[in-house]
Amino acid sequence: ILNVEQSPQSLHVQEGDSTNFTCSFPSSNFYALHWYRWETAKSPEALFVMTLNGDEKKKGRISATLNTKEGYSYLYIKGSQPEDSATYLCAFSDDKIIFGKGTRLHILP
Amino acid sequence: DVKVTQSSRYLVKRTGEKVFLECVQDMDHENMFWYRQDPGLGLRLIYFSYDVKMKEKGDIPEGYSVSREKKERFSLILESASTNQTSMYLCASSLSSGIVNEQFFGPGTRLTVL
Repeated sequence: ILNVEQSPQSLHVQEGDSTNFTCSFPSSNFYALHWYRWETAKSPEALFVMTLNGDEKKKGRISATLNTKEGYSYLYIKGSQPEDSATYLCAFSDDKIIFGKGTRLHILP
Repeated sequence: DVKVTQSSRYLVKRTGEKVFLECVQDMDHENMFWYRQDPGLGLRLIYFSYDVKMKEKGDIPEGYSVSREKKERFSLILESASTNQTSMYLCASSLSSGIVNEQFFGPGTRLTVL
């Protein structure tokens, strides 16, 4: 059974601080790693899709890295803002897509 | 912008009722998916479809069926609703060539089965 693990489960960060969290996935039969942001009362929205070992993607203050050989991806948020409060999901693809349980990020004013 | 709509945001049904959850996407996407989301369990795939009239079981298909008669519409059916099917149901779609492309999600249907 394939497992996608995200840590931590929940995180409280002071506004203005930077933070990061982890997604671990099976390192065999890799196709892609997805990151989604899911704000309360909204639909999950895609942040990044990464396919190559060593990939780094950036969107504004948010960036992600990928290591397919060791099976992990990091999501970084620089200078956290209140609008960053959300659940961040990662999803691993081999022949189907498997989601992690998410990291719930709370930004403290 | 891709738009994925679901027929209801909130739904309350009784045990044993037949329940239809409808999902429509407007961007001609090949792939459509149904998930349920429960606290502490994350998103779990129920069924998916790569083409019209085609369906594949996901991780938790028991108690559910699906229908895809038209490309833009993917329906989830609970033949006889049970209380353990109380959950948030999310529909998603993506372009063809499957699992590498990002998925676009609908707003979700929160189903309560009494």
